[in-house]
Amino acid sequence: KQEVTQIPAALSVPEGENLVLNCSFTDSAIYNLQWFRQDPGKGLTSLLLIQSSQREQTSGRLNASLDKSSGRSTLYIAASQPGDSATYLCAVSKGGSEKLVFGKGTKLTVNP
Amino acid sequence: DTAVSQTPKYLVTQMGNDKSIKCEQNLGHDTMYWYKQDSKKFLKIMFSYNNKELIINETVPNRFSPKSPDKAHLNLHINSLELGDSAVYFCASSHRVDTQYFGPGTRLTVL
Repeated sequence: KQEVTQIPAALSVPEGENLVLNCSFTDSAIYNLQWFRQDPGKGLTSLLLIQSSQREQTSGRLNASLDKSSGRSTLYIAASQPGDSATYLCAVSKGGSEKLVFGKGTKLTVNP
Repeated sequence: DTAVSQTPKYLVTQMGNDKSIKCEQNLGHDTMYWYKQDSKKFLKIMFSYNNKELIINETVPNRFSPKSPDKAHLNLHINSLELGDSAVYFCASSHRVDTQYFGPGTRLTVL
């Protein structure tokens, strides 16, 4: 059974700092890994999707890496801004199935 | 706007009632999902439909019955509501295993 763990559960940083969010999964037989952002009281917004054959994906100040063999992914946020404050969720899907298994998220607060 | 939409946004009801939540996507996707986010914010899949056919049915009480009248709609009907059903329910859609797009959620409160 796939389990996804995100560490830390909460993170508070000053504006401008670079930061890394961690995600680990127990079953390395994944099809892809997705990072989402969830604002309070809102739905999820997809940030990045990494296929199992890829090592990283970049979008603006965000960079996500994937090490499938070790069951790990990181989300790097450069030059953090208060608007980045949200809960960041990692999710993996298994080949042949569209089912996403989510971690419990990391709540990020960027202080001005 | 192209998006995944859900109605209602909030639903407050008494135990034992039957209620429905509706979801529509205009992204042309072939796969739709229902997820439940509990009070601890843990998000877990409930159902998935591909081209109107049920492909994922997690361990969910049979009081929950999804219905997909067409590829763009996936509704969730809940019978005999219980206190433990209180949660936020999210609808999502995708093209097969590509990026999933989520709706804004329906906050269900059972009194």
